[in-house]
Amino acid sequence: QKEVEQDPGPLSVPEGAIVSLNCTYSNSAFQYFMWYRQYSRKGPELLMYTYSSGNKEDGRFTAQVDKSSKYISLFIRDSQPSDSATYLCAAFKAAGNKLTFGGGTRVLVKP
Amino acid sequence: DADVTQTPRNRITKTGKRIMLECSQTKGHDRMYWYRQDPGLGLRLIYYSFDVKDINKGEISDGYSVSRQAQAKFSLSLESAIPNQTALYFCATSDPEVGKAFFGQGTRLTVV
Repeated sequence: QKEVEQDPGPLSVPEGAIVSLNCTYSNSAFQYFMWYRQYSRKGPELLMYTYSSGNKEDGRFTAQVDKSSKYISLFIRDSQPSDSATYLCAAFKAAGNKLTFGGGTRVLVKP
Repeated sequence: DADVTQTPRNRITKTGKRIMLECSQTKGHDRMYWYRQDPGLGLRLIYYSFDVKDINKGEISDGYSVSRQAQAKFSLSLESAIPNQTALYFCATSDPEVGKAFFGQGTRLTVV
């Protein structure tokens, strides 16, 4: 079993819809949680990171962590065609400097 | 200029050839990584280095070797390339405290 699991998609939504992405993780030692966005033929870029359970908002993006259920979410409001990309969740624990990625979910926002 | 630069961006090589992928970074981080990305398999860690004298194997290190020439430079070698090493390779560096990673643009390697 992978330590960080993510549905590969693809997830197709109309422009303006809310995109909801989820990951689960198995290792309770993970302390920090991140979302990366990867456009085709590009390297992943850090989108958001969170430390504790709860929500973190940045513009149209909201990251949510529920440590009790080991669940990570990313919501994109008012989605745009430019949001079409692969989104990777990641979890990090300082001990051992272990950064583990989910497999990524491909998102397509249709105009 | 990009924080993490990889060369070459694309490479086609023949089975059995030795090939080196190079990475340099301007973030000033000690920690550097090499990942491989395959469709459906996500990012898999090949090697990582916490400083110039510290090299560690990742989950898929067989068939690969690395060299950390300086804090800013970390190269990946395929001693004898094989077709199933065809993939997209990423170099990354990270913040040591919270694990924020910064990736290069990737090297698309094809072994024929």
